[in-house]
Amino acid sequence: GAGVSQSPSNKVTEKGKDVELRCDPISGHTALYWYRQSLGQGLEFLIYFQGNSAPDKSGLPSDRFSAERTGGSVSTLTIQRTQQEDSAVYLCASSPSGRPGELFFGEGSRLTVL
Amino acid sequence: AQSVSQHNHHVILSEAASLELGCNYSYGGTVNLFWYVQYPGQHLQLLLKYFSGDPLVKGIKGFEAEFIKSKFSFNLRKPSVQWSDTAEYFCAVNDISGGSYIPTFGRGTSLIVHP
Repeated sequence: GAGVSQSPSNKVTEKGKDVELRCDPISGHTALYWYRQSLGQGLEFLIYFQGNSAPDKSGLPSDRFSAERTGGSVSTLTIQRTQQEDSAVYLCASSPSGRPGELFFGEGSRLTVL
Repeated sequence: AQSVSQHNHHVILSEAASLELGCNYSYGGTVNLFWYVQYPGQHLQLLLKYFSGDPLVKGIKGFEAEFIKSKFSFNLRKPSVQWSDTAEYFCAVNDISGGSYIPTFGRGTSLIVHP
């Protein structure tokens, strides 16, 4: 079956530009997560969506980062005025109801800010 | 703050050697525990999980992990590694008693298996 789909797979942008990263979760999965993975680091939690509840934004590193999830499905992570320290692999994952923490990951979007 | 520690950042083994990767966490309540694996060029995928019951958990490809509550540990083991086990391994913990559905990940362990 179809897994978690992320686009673009690679994005190179100039410092100060805005970027949008897209995630299409597994159909029927109620939870959606965004994490960030930097070289040599673990996974840094960014934001969590569960059904129609208000998202948990506690991991967003600054107000330049925002995310939305439309219709309980596709999610977009937006980074405004990108900085070089934003360079990382942005991972999206979805999770089925009743299995908290069991994540199905996408391939990731590699962001490089020049 | 909640934390997950993986003590070995880089491990190099020869084929047929035994493997044990350490994972410790700082939560005091009920937890769900996971090991994820990322093979070269592939996405992260679940290797095994513990929700409740038998603390010795069997996963795919001959991996197992043991939950020792008194030691706050969930170490990953494999009796005989193969070259194809070369990958990055991540431990993750979900604090259920705290009402969290957001797993915290360790920094990962890079495993290289020489043929």
